[in-house]
Amino acid sequence: SQQGEEDPQALSIQEGENATMNCSYKTSINNLQWYRQNSGRGLVHLILIRSNEREKHSGRLRVTLDTSKKSSSLLITASRAADTASYFCATDQAGTALIFGKGTTLSVSS
Amino acid sequence: DAGVIQSPRHEVTEMGQEVTLRCKPISGHNSLFWYRQTMMRGLELLIYFNNNVPIDDSGMPEDRFSAKMPNASFSTLKIQPSEPRDSAVYFCASETQGEQFFGPGTRLTVL
Repeated sequence: SQQGEEDPQALSIQEGENATMNCSYKTSINNLQWYRQNSGRGLVHLILIRSNEREKHSGRLRVTLDTSKKSSSLLITASRAADTASYFCATDQAGTALIFGKGTTLSVSS
Repeated sequence: DAGVIQSPRHEVTEMGQEVTLRCKPISGHNSLFWYRQTMMRGLELLIYFNNNVPIDDSGMPEDRFSAKMPNASFSTLKIQPSEPRDSAVYFCASETQGEQFFGPGTRLTVL
């Protein structure tokens, strides 16, 4: 069953703009992860945020987690054409494998 | 480390044929996952192993699908007989400390 749902499904922005993607989930989690997938490639892990954390940064990436709302956001600042990809959130519940959402497709045009 | 290795990268076969997909996880990773990705259904978990033991195969669509992990460095996903609706990209991933590392995938086309 689908745990994480990303929003929007697709996002188009210009280089230099910020991109924000959201993820909502249904049940309690241990952690939430964001992955990126370039066309024709496997997913690549970007960042993991634990359930007791509220915000995490990695380079131009900023992830927030609101466990009361069961939601997370991924912000990419100063986007580049190379950021064009699909972005997936994945939730980690105790005793189960990661559950991936359907992803947000980001297009960054130069 | 070469990362997760999958073979073949592309497979085109005819309906009814047996298909075997192969995966070599990253050395030292204890968990291995098989996923299927299509435009319609997104990324679906088919089965995962922990220390070579199948833990959850509830995502395997039908008895036509089977997976094995005879040792820590090798896993196979077999489809017999294959059908056109099995056409998809199949990913293998191995995991350490909660982070999954994906292989490049096998693009399967069943005619």
